[in-house]
Amino acid sequence: AQRVTQPEKLLSVFKGAPVELKCNYSYSGSPELFWYVQYSRQRLQLLLRHISRESIKGFTADLNKGETSFHLKKPFAQEEDSAMYYCALSGDTDKLIFGTGTRLQVFP
Amino acid sequence: ETGVTQSPTHLIKTRGQQVTLRCSSQSGHNTVSWYQQALGQGPQFIFQYYREEENGRGNFPPRFSGLQFPNYSSELNVNALELDDSALYLCASSLNRGFFDSGYTFGSGTRLTVV
Repeated sequence: AQRVTQPEKLLSVFKGAPVELKCNYSYSGSPELFWYVQYSRQRLQLLLRHISRESIKGFTADLNKGETSFHLKKPFAQEEDSAMYYCALSGDTDKLIFGTGTRLQVFP
Repeated sequence: ETGVTQSPTHLIKTRGQQVTLRCSSQSGHNTVSWYQQALGQGPQFIFQYYREEENGRGNFPPRFSGLQFPNYSSELNVNALELDDSALYLCASSLNRGFFDSGYTFGSGTRLTVV
């Protein structure tokens, strides 16, 4: 079965602290993995996808097939990073399977 | 270039009623996917439409049905509403099936409350 697990509902850090949002997946093939973000009162939007290997807004995510993880990292959190973050997987179909999300709170 | 627009933004229905939600896809996009997001959960895939044909369906009963029109806009219909259908319904458009372009563009959603 295809599944995405985000174990933390809430992650609170102070500005300037490192951030790691955890994501583990279950899929037997080669997945495509994504991070989506939803800022307050805004729509869900793509943050990054593993195949592009980009760094967006200082965030990076590395696919670790051995640990079946795709954790989202940022070395120095900013207040404007406060949002809801969803990890998502696309397997052998055209649908996205989302995790339950992690709310990131960055305090000043 | 316009984004994805959904209507209405909020809706209250009574159990047993039927509801139709609408979605206009982003200009140039020919694929529309619908997701249900219950409170505290991530979005769950309902179905996808590509060039007016259903292209994949999630684990939702047949009372959830859809349409895509020649202009690629789409409707989600839910019959015999149940209390558990209360959720945020998200529409996402993309260029072609799969995620080989920039992926989905999401709408702001329709919040459906069933009482």
